[in-house]
Amino acid sequence: DADVTQTPRNRITKTGKRIMLECSQTKGHDRMYWYRQDPGLGLRLIYYSFDVKDINKGEISDGYSVSRQAQAKFSLSLESAIPNQTALYFCATSDPLGTGYNEQFFGPGTRLTVL
Amino acid sequence: GEDVEQSLFLSVREGDSSVINCTYTDSSSTYLYWYKQEPGAGLQLLTYIFSNMDMKQDQRLTVLLNKKDKHLSLRIADTQTGDSAIYFCAETTYGNNRLAFGKGNQVVVIP
Repeated sequence: DADVTQTPRNRITKTGKRIMLECSQTKGHDRMYWYRQDPGLGLRLIYYSFDVKDINKGEISDGYSVSRQAQAKFSLSLESAIPNQTALYFCATSDPLGTGYNEQFFGPGTRLTVL
Repeated sequence: GEDVEQSLFLSVREGDSSVINCTYTDSSSTYLYWYKQEPGAGLQLLTYIFSNMDMKQDQRLTVLLNKKDKHLSLRIADTQTGDSAIYFCAETTYGNNRLAFGKGNQVVVIP
């Protein structure tokens, strides 16, 4: 079984709808992240959480919110979806070493299309 | 701050070597990473290098780090069709464990 899972894998929705993307992990990591990937722009960080009570905005948090329901679960919500939120969304987890080494483990992604 | 730059596209014949380049701006980077994204999949760590190293070799992969020019490269020897993917470089700095990713290089291997 995959260590980091995302649901749904694909979603098509309409402008103005509320959408939730879910992420679950079995790696036991405290840190979880949400990224979006757009062609030619690479990965951009939306939100990250260092533990259940610690949630931080990333570089492009406007229009998004998150919920860390448990160590293993981190959800991303689009309160009112708009077409320029059409992208591939990735969840990731990590357990950084004190040296600064921070390998991140990625889910398979959710392809979201907003019409 | 962190800013990581990559060129976008590389085409290479099967069996040749491919080289992907990346520049970064943060001189306090502690680790630099190469991630691979195969079609339809998430990113997976391919290799990494600690900032006090100049070179790291791992089977067909060679990572070169030029700290003076803040330049990182990944050489893949004997490129195979399975190496077709998008490759991202990324960095972390001590005390700020977030990863800063480059925009990615798409590598297409021609049989």
